[in-house]
Amino acid sequence: GAVVSQHPSRVICKSGTSVKIECRSLDFQATTMFWYRQFPKQSLMLMATSNEGSKATYEQGVEKDKFLINHASLTLSTLTVTSAHPEDSSFYICSARSGQSNQPQHFGDGTRLSIL
Amino acid sequence: DAKTTQPPSMDCAEGRAANLPCNHSTISGNEYVYWYRQIHSQGPQYIIHGLKNNETNEMASLIITEDRKSSTLILPHATLRDTAVYYCIVRLFNAGGTSYGKLTFGQGTILTVHP
Repeated sequence: GAVVSQHPSRVICKSGTSVKIECRSLDFQATTMFWYRQFPKQSLMLMATSNEGSKATYEQGVEKDKFLINHASLTLSTLTVTSAHPEDSSFYICSARSGQSNQPQHFGDGTRLSIL
Repeated sequence: DAKTTQPPSMDCAEGRAANLPCNHSTISGNEYVYWYRQIHSQGPQYIIHGLKNNETNEMASLIITEDRKSSTLILPHATLRDTAVYYCIVRLFNAGGTSYGKLTFGQGTILTVHP
């Protein structure tokens, strides 16, 4: 089945650091990639949607200058959390979908971000 | 995308069938029903999806009512490893274009499979 790889799986860093998370589709071309965030005991919340070669579309309340998304190729998207603070600590999950109309989205295994 | 309603939790005995219901009474004609599950501290795993016909794959069966207002995910022989949060999601599709709906996650059903 389709595989989405996310790296790193866990990050612990100091407040003020910028953190980059990579998301790769390993066996299909991902025309669209999605970034979600999940706080403890809550459901996944969509942060942004990006199409290859275009600027990401952010959900309401998500700061685009804080969460920088790059989707430069059909197999790679990155999320950079800039100047991270403890309240940014969360489980970040990427997802990818091919261009075929009703094909499912596949998810990475998430990145646990802890800001001290 | 149409909203879905699922019971917050269900229990199932190992080896028995787990039947997870989902209500999506406001679904429109161009929305698919998707099921995902999330095991603790992992990303969601795709299970199955359908439009109006019943579907079956190696993981599960999806039964969609004729009016499409509800569906049931069936895990035929539940194992302990099937313990997870199960999400029923409806997603808009545009068969002829580039506009696809988002996967919006609700609270899901916590399925606990016990020995």
